[in-house]
Amino acid sequence: RKEVEQDPGPFNVPEGATVAFNCTYSNSASQSFFWYRQDCRKEPKLLMSVYSSGNEDGRFTAQLNRASQYISLLIRDSKLSDSATYLCVVNRPNTGNQFYFGTGTSLTVIP
Amino acid sequence: DGGITQSPKYLFRKEGQNVTLSCEQNLNHDAMYWYRQDPGQGLRLIYYSQIVNDFQKGDIAEGYSVSREKKESFPLTVTSAQKNPTAFYLCASSIGIAGAVGTGELFFGEGSRLTVL
Repeated sequence: RKEVEQDPGPFNVPEGATVAFNCTYSNSASQSFFWYRQDCRKEPKLLMSVYSSGNEDGRFTAQLNRASQYISLLIRDSKLSDSATYLCVVNRPNTGNQFYFGTGTSLTVIP
Repeated sequence: DGGITQSPKYLFRKEGQNVTLSCEQNLNHDAMYWYRQDPGQGLRLIYYSQIVNDFQKGDIAEGYSVSREKKESFPLTVTSAQKNPTAFYLCASSIGIAGAVGTGELFFGEGSRLTVL
């Protein structure tokens, strides 16, 4: 089983739609969770950290479910500029600051 | 502006040649990393360094070498021993202190795209 698993998509949604991505992780000892955004042929950039209580940043909401070992990202009112690949990133326990990376979920927002 | 600079952005290499990818950061971060990204795969860790003059192998270190003589610099050499070197290489840094949990965000350079001809 992969350490982090994501549905690769692609997700093609119309502008204004709400879309949700899930990510599952295998190591129950992981404690830090992130969503990164990667544009085509560019470097990943932090979108948001995921906190135990869930957190929101504008149109983006991240949730963590420790019992089921998954994190989610909800995007409301999708914009064309949201088109990108979204990477789920989870820390590797007992390794200092190393991480597992998901393969990414591709989102295209259509006019 | 603070950040990470990778060079070159694009590099073509003949089989059997070594190439060195540069990575410089002015964020005063202790930890630096090299990742490789291939289509359909997550980022894979090649080498990382938590402190100057110290570095450790990641998951796919074979055929690569690094050095960390200065805090701000972490060059990666792709040697001729690397069987499949064509890939997108990403350098990153973080505040990360060895043994610390959740020191968080990775800052990436723009990447170096290596193609072996």
